Formats: sequence, C-alpha cells, structure tokens
Amino acid sequence: SQTIHQWPATLVQPVGSPLSLECTVEGTSNPNLYWYRQAAGRGLQLLFYSVGIGQISSEVPQNLSASRPQDRQFILSSKKLLLSDSGFYLCAWSVEGRGNQPQHFGDGTRLSIL
Amino acid sequence: GDSVTQMEGPVTLSEEAFLTINCTYTATGYPSLFWYVQYPGEGLQLLLKATKADDKGSNKGFEATYRKETTSFHLEKGSVQVSDSAVYFCALRISGAGSYQLTFGKGTKLSVIP
Repeated sequence: SQTIHQWPATLVQPVGSPLSLECTVEGTSNPNLYWYRQAAGRGLQLLFYSVGIGQISSEVPQNLSASRPQDRQFILSSKKLLLSDSGFYLCAWSVEGRGNQPQHFGDGTRLSIL
Repeated sequence: GDSVTQMEGPVTLSEEAFLTINCTYTATGYPSLFWYVQYPGEGLQLLLKATKADDKGSNKGFEATYRKETTSFHLEKGSVQVSDSAVYFCALRISGAGSYQLTFGKGTKLSVIP
C-alpha cells in the first residue's frame, strides 16, 4: 500500500533562517506531488505541485520554493523565513493524470516562526 | 473560477445526534467531489468521494450524495460519536487532463459532547 511521510512534525525557526521540509511517498511510481499551507483559521492553500522529476509549478508567489530531486521526494525550501510563513504545511500525492482521483495527505509539519 | 462553500462552524452536537454539514460548489468543468476529515494536530484523511452525478460516497457511517441539479454534496451521519470531533473539508477536483488542483472549502469544525 502507499504511504506518505513528512518531517519534521514540528519546527520552530527564527525569522530570516532557512527552511527545508521533506516529503517522501512509498508504494507508487510517478505520483503527482503537492505542497499546501494551512494558516490558522483558514482553509488550505495550494503552494506548489509537481507532475514529474524537476517539474515544479507554483500557484502563489512567495519566498518559498519547491524541488523534486527524485520521483517520490518533494522538498519545500526557503532561504529566509518571514513571520508570515508560520502555518501547518501539508504534502500530498495523487495518481498521475487522473482528475477524478483524490489526493492523499501526510501528517503535516507545524512551522512556527519567532 | 471553481469554489466550494461550506456551512460555517463550529458545530456542537450531543452524542448520537444527527449530523448534516452543507457543501455547495461552483465549477467550470465536471468535478469529482470529496470530503476530508482532519483530527486535531493531524493531516487530512480522505473520508469519502463521488465522481459523477447521483453517486453516493460512504465511509464510517458518513454519507454524501453528488447532486448536480443543486450543485451540492452535503455530509450526513445518523448518530455521531465523540470520536467524530474534527474539522471536515469539502473539496472538488475537475476531471480531465491537466487537472491537478483540489479546491477546498474553509472547513467546518465539529465538536461532539458526551
């Protein structure tokens, strides 16, 4: 069966520090991969998605970036964090090319910026 | 653009009460519809889905019927338990090639008291 792993589960970082969140998927090949942010009191906002290695699409302009160095690995990064980057970050995957298939989410990373 | 509107919470019910969480949508194409549940401190879990009109999704006693004529996908459960306390998200995804994004509602927080 397929599983998705995110780490770390929680992270406290000072303003201006770099960020690297990692997500890996097991048990499937060539998945679509996604990064979402859930800010307090708000819904989910799609940040990036990827349909293949090295292919990244950005939905929202910001100081975050994403990379997909391997088929089942998705990384969310920042060179200098802002206070507004605080939130709950969720990675998700779905079957490639099927619009009627759900996305499956990891357990999330809670990021607090001080 | 595509959008999902959920009833605003929080919703507080007594154990064994009947639950309805309303969800309506607007979509530019033919959507698949989903309900996700988020327990405190966790990621999102797929609860149920429906991919065409008049389909009924069901899981763990929850049900929702895809109503194209009213563009709705209301979530129901006949008898809620304390363990159902969570935030519930309605979402849609447009079927077809190149369709990647899930559009979420803002979520409805459910609290079930003994």
